Amino acid sequence: GESVGLHLPTLSVQEGDNSIINCAYSNSASDYFIWYKQESGKGPQFIIDIRSNMDKRQGQRVTVLLNKTVKHLSLQIAATQPGDSAVYFCAENRVWGQNFVFGPGTRLSVLP
Amino acid sequence: DGGITQSPKYLFRKEGQNVTLSCEQNLNHDAMYWYRQDPGQGLRLIYYSQIVNDFQKGDIAEGYSVSREKKESFPLTVTSAQKNPTAFYLCASTRGQGVGELFFGEGSRLTVL
Repeated sequence: GESVGLHLPTLSVQEGDNSIINCAYSNSASDYFIWYKQESGKGPQFIIDIRSNMDKRQGQRVTVLLNKTVKHLSLQIAATQPGDSAVYFCAENRVWGQNFVFGPGTRLSVLP
Repeated sequence: DGGITQSPKYLFRKEGQNVTLSCEQNLNHDAMYWYRQDPGQGLRLIYYSQIVNDFQKGDIAEGYSVSREKKESFPLTVTSAQKNPTAFYLCASTRGQGVGELFFGEGSRLTVL
């Protein structure tokens, strides 16, 4: 398997419970944020995004919350399933036209 | 299906050798990127390209080189000057720099023997 995420913080949740994964971003000028899911040995997959003119956005079983005051982003996963086990990381886009900056990620482990 | 294809998935290199990682996209995206991923760290940008025949260094470009001769292709060469090349390499693309999400390939794992 892939060694990505060996030393990451881990969140363990029971199957069926809700999960909350947090991310602190660094630049108050960032205006676009994305959550990605990465399974072992695979490339990151887009989950949900949010722009700085919003503070909440919902998708299928996922919700992203943005608190610009404290530069905090969270991903909520409802009714967590075994297939949700992966590393989750946030990305911020610093000023339109610049490149993304990525957080180190959190490993989500779903317990049966 | 549209997407990004990286090859090879696994690659082994002897010290002192250059290796080239392939990245091809059929999404008609203008911007392409190479990232390096190490355990416990966020993705770090190696090189990026906004248009054909143009590319810029990212945060950790030393020991790497790229080309962008075609819109759909952005190969990365890991040269012998890269002192610690063992890592997972990810190629990504987007419609334009800073516009919308990054689409990623499945990655290439390079191991130096």
